Amino acid sequence: GNSVTQMEGPVTLSEEAFLTINCTYTATGYPSLFWYVQYPGEGLQLLLKATKADDKGSNKGFEATYRKETTSFHLEKGSVQVSDSAVYFCALSVWTGNQFYFGTGTSLTVIP
Amino acid sequence: DGGITQSPKYLFRKEGQNVTLSCEQNLNHDAMYWYRQDPGQGLRLIYYSQIVNDFQKGDIAEGYSVSREKKESFPLTVTSAQKNPTAFYLCASSMGQGNTIYFGEGSWLTVV
Repeated sequence: GNSVTQMEGPVTLSEEAFLTINCTYTATGYPSLFWYVQYPGEGLQLLLKATKADDKGSNKGFEATYRKETTSFHLEKGSVQVSDSAVYFCALSVWTGNQFYFGTGTSLTVIP
Repeated sequence: DGGITQSPKYLFRKEGQNVTLSCEQNLNHDAMYWYRQDPGQGLRLIYYSQIVNDFQKGDIAEGYSVSREKKESFPLTVTSAQKNPTAFYLCASSMGQGNTIYFGEGSWLTVV
């Protein structure tokens, strides 16, 4: 079946620290992979995506590489800011059935 | 601007009442979705629709109903049969298989 497993939170970092949020997946076929960010009381916003193996998605200093051999899509940022405090969701979509599968979310708090 | 509009943002329901949450999109997307999010939790799929006049149950459809009479609209009714409806509800849409899913800003439903 299809599923996403992401790192348990909450994560607390100091400003300018390095961030990694782990995400692994299982999928039938060839999924597209996504990271979404949710700020308090708001909907989810697309942060970045990758549609095939070895693709790297990037946006606002965040990066993630689609690793087929390890079935992973880890989110990284070299230097986090207070404004990055949010909940991050890893997700995949598959071509059959038009379904999306979300991880449980990882809460990030960045302290000055 | 293109996007997904959910209304109302906040809604209060009395015991035994049905309430309807509106979701409209002007992205010309074929597929639309409803998710429920409880505080500090991930997303759970309620219903989805891949085409007008057709929809499928998600993981937690009991106590909810939907319609898809127009491509741009996918309202969700929370019926009195839903025993614990207090939650944050997210509407989303997508072009279809394998494509990015986009979210509205969400609606908070509280039972009083």
